[in-house]
Amino acid sequence: QKEVEQNSGPLSVPEGAIASLNCTYSDRVSQSFFWYRQYSGKSPELIMSIYSNGDKEDGRFTAQLNKASQYVSLLIRDSQPSDSATYLCAVTNAGKSTFGDGTTLTVKP
Amino acid sequence: NAGVTQTPKFRILKIGQSMTLQCTQDMNHNYMYWYRQDPGMGLKLIYYSVGAGITDKGEVPNGYNVSRSTTEDFPLRLELAAPSQTSVYFCASSPTATGGEQYFGPGTRLTVT
Repeated sequence: QKEVEQNSGPLSVPEGAIASLNCTYSDRVSQSFFWYRQYSGKSPELIMSIYSNGDKEDGRFTAQLNKASQYVSLLIRDSQPSDSATYLCAVTNAGKSTFGDGTTLTVKP
Repeated sequence: NAGVTQTPKFRILKIGQSMTLQCTQDMNHNYMYWYRQDPGMGLKLIYYSVGAGITDKGEVPNGYNVSRSTTEDFPLRLELAAPSQTSVYFCASSPTATGGEQYFGPGTRLTVT
């Protein structure tokens, strides 16, 4: 079992829809959870961080964390073509981050 | 602030050659990381450093070496390059360990033939 697993994708949604990206992790003592966006040929950029159970909203993005289920998700509301990218889930413990393989999202106009 | 800079952007190596990938950050971050990313995959941690003079192995350290003599610089050394080291290499830095938010450089695309 991989330490961090994400929807295999690719995920395609129409413009204006909600995109839902999921991630599960195996290490129960993980402390911090992040979502990075990576455009093709570019480096990852941080878009959301979440540290405690519940929801965290930032603009069109909502991160959800459930430590009991070892599950973290990212919702993108009102998806735009500019959201088309690969989204990486990262789980951090004691200074080291483990990344999932990413889910590629395509938003169709 | 330039953030995290990496050089070179591209490099082609022959099997058995060696090279150093440079990484510099100007944000005074203590934590620095080297990752490799193979096509369609996530990031694999090669080495990381929690401060000048302190380094530790990540998930895939074989074939690589690092040093951290200053807060700003964290070079990655490839010895005896092999085709399996063909990848994109990203350097990242973070202000904290528990916070974990990382800032990435633009990457170095390395091909070993």
